[in-house]
Amino acid sequence: DSGVTQTPKHLITATGQRVTLRCSPRSGDLSVYWYQQSLDQGLQFLIQYYNGEERAKGNILERFSAQQFPDLHSELNLSSLELGDSALYFCASSVGLDAYNEQFFGPGTRLTVL
Amino acid sequence: AQTVTQSQPEMSVQEAETVTLSCTYDTSENNYYLFWYKQPPSRQMILVIRQEAYKQQNATENRFSVNFQKAAKSFSLKISDSQLGDTAMYFCAFMFGGFKTIFGAGTRLFVKA
Repeated sequence: DSGVTQTPKHLITATGQRVTLRCSPRSGDLSVYWYQQSLDQGLQFLIQYYNGEERAKGNILERFSAQQFPDLHSELNLSSLELGDSALYFCASSVGLDAYNEQFFGPGTRLTVL
Repeated sequence: AQTVTQSQPEMSVQEAETVTLSCTYDTSENNYYLFWYKQPPSRQMILVIRQEAYKQQNATENRFSVNFQKAAKSFSLKISDSQLGDTAMYFCAFMFGGFKTIFGAGTRLFVKA
């Protein structure tokens, strides 16, 4: 158990819908990262937050947005869902802003878009 | 553009033997970090080992070590005394520009009893 929690574990929804994925980092970790793992695209970095502020952006679609709240939990919002958005979405956390800090991954949320 | 290539989609090794997984990357960055992650059948991503590009000394973590060749842009992972629990997908990752990370396509490793 990494100490990072993600809810829900599984999510099944229809095209065009909007969903919110939630992540609670390890106690004391200020950085949160979101990743997408799909069959087509492999593992992709989406976005990173540190202490409530966005710090780095990867291949995140405009239909996706994220935020980190004052209690440090983070949410990833996916809207106008398409079949290709079906993937495993990971959240990870690390203690600070040093890129070398170990990232601890949550168990992931499996999103299925029908 | 940054790319990471893992040329071995699948590998197998006998228990207690040594195996090397290859990874090459392409970048014009000077400051970056390299990582190997393991993803067992449970799908949990676990950090195996990491290397800072400015450090010449190869990183080692117990049975795991890397061969980092900066000029050749190569970052291979050696697993010694392979164990059944090492069966997993292994991803090489390159981090640059602060926190942007590029992953390779992965190598599926099977450890046979």
